[in-house]
Amino acid sequence: GAGVSQSPRYKVTKRGQDVALRCDPISGHVSLYWYRQALGQGPEFLTYFNYEAQQDKSGLPNDRFSAERPEGSISTLTIQRTEQRDSAMYRCASSLFGRERSDEQYFGPGTRLTVT
Amino acid sequence: QKEVEQNSGPLSVPEGAIASLNCTYSDRGSQSFFWYRQYSGKSPELIMFIYSNGDKEDGRFTAQLNKASQYVSLLIRDSQPSDSATYLCAVTTPYSGAGSYQLTFGKGTKLSVIP
Repeated sequence: GAGVSQSPRYKVTKRGQDVALRCDPISGHVSLYWYRQALGQGPEFLTYFNYEAQQDKSGLPNDRFSAERPEGSISTLTIQRTEQRDSAMYRCASSLFGRERSDEQYFGPGTRLTVT
Repeated sequence: QKEVEQNSGPLSVPEGAIASLNCTYSDRGSQSFFWYRQYSGKSPELIMFIYSNGDKEDGRFTAQLNKASQYVSLLIRDSQPSDSATYLCAVTTPYSGAGSYQLTFGKGTKLSVIP
């Protein structure tokens, strides 16, 4: 079946603009995670949804970052008033349950955000 | 502060040899351990996971876990040039956040298999 999809794949924006990044998880997957990956680093956790509930947002760097998953499927990560330091690859992952130690997370292709 | 440490490499092995990738973690409460492969410019791809002490084999891959030493490894037998990638070690801790099994990743080890 289809994997995790993300859009746009590339986004170039000017400093101060707002951006919205979309994630469409694998059909039927309950849990959805957002990560951010800098070059040469592993992905870094941002936030977690179980169905539509945002149950962990401890990784969001500041209040310019927010996320939602209103119907328990597609999720949007929004960054307000973007800054150059926000430039990174933003990755979404989904898993079937999210509450079992063997639950496997599958990653989408990512959105490369560049803030100029 | 949970930490996952990996040697960044590059690790070079000849084709057909065994590649050994190592990872240590700081949180003794970590429960599950995952190995992801990431080709340049691509997204991480899950290879295998392990949560019990000992070895777990899947084809040419063997994951090894030693919780007492807080050490995880991945062995790749009969290495192929197509195995050349960055290998990311990730751990989950069940009480991190409100029930989430967020992954904490190492920086990855770059493996190069020489034909």
